[in-house]
Amino acid sequence: NAGVTQTPKFQVLKTGQSMTLQCAQDMNHNSMYWYRQDPGMGLRLIYYSASEGTTDKGEVPNGYNVSRLNKREFSLRLESAAPSQTSVYFCASSEAWGPGYGYTFGSGTRLTVV
Amino acid sequence: GDSVTQMEGPVTLSEEAFLTINCTYTATGYPSLFWYVQYPGEGLQLLLKATKADDKGSNKGFEATYRKETTSFHLEKGSVQVSDSAVYFCALETSGSRLTFGEGTQLTVNP
Repeated sequence: NAGVTQTPKFQVLKTGQSMTLQCAQDMNHNSMYWYRQDPGMGLRLIYYSASEGTTDKGEVPNGYNVSRLNKREFSLRLESAAPSQTSVYFCASSEAWGPGYGYTFGSGTRLTVV
Repeated sequence: GDSVTQMEGPVTLSEEAFLTINCTYTATGYPSLFWYVQYPGEGLQLLLKATKADDKGSNKGFEATYRKETTSFHLEKGSVQVSDSAVYFCALETSGSRLTFGEGTQLTVNP
């Protein structure tokens, strides 16, 4: 079982460049999420999609956009990368939007902006 | 707003020692509580959960009890192994399915 697949695993960008992080899940989950992980700060929610066709801002959405392409795929786009966006990005999914389901995480994308 | 506070790390133990990682939370309503574990170079994995007060979550020898009166969800294991070395995250579920995470606690278990 693949679960949640993220691509790429590593990326180096120059300031001002753009890129899209891809995420796909094969568990028929309804809800998907993008988090960033920074040292000493835990994980912070960037955007989420409660169900196919909907997206909403999380705690730290500035500088990012998302697309819920279909039920399986949820991409994160950086339009003009900044050094402050150097981080590890995790995509996650849950069976449904509601209490107690828990998340399945991908293995992450390590992004460095120079 | 909702928040999670974990004990400061890192934590270093010898194999077979008793483990406690403290977690307290602030939330409105009655959140669900989770512990996630992250092994080096990997994503987070759900370790255990509790969805209402006094519930005990357990998995792989780890346990945590949802204490509403103390707003706590401390993680415990009676005898740790080297393979338990990882970062542990406490989390609470706020509106809908949105998770708020603590900062994480690095655990190292020495043989």
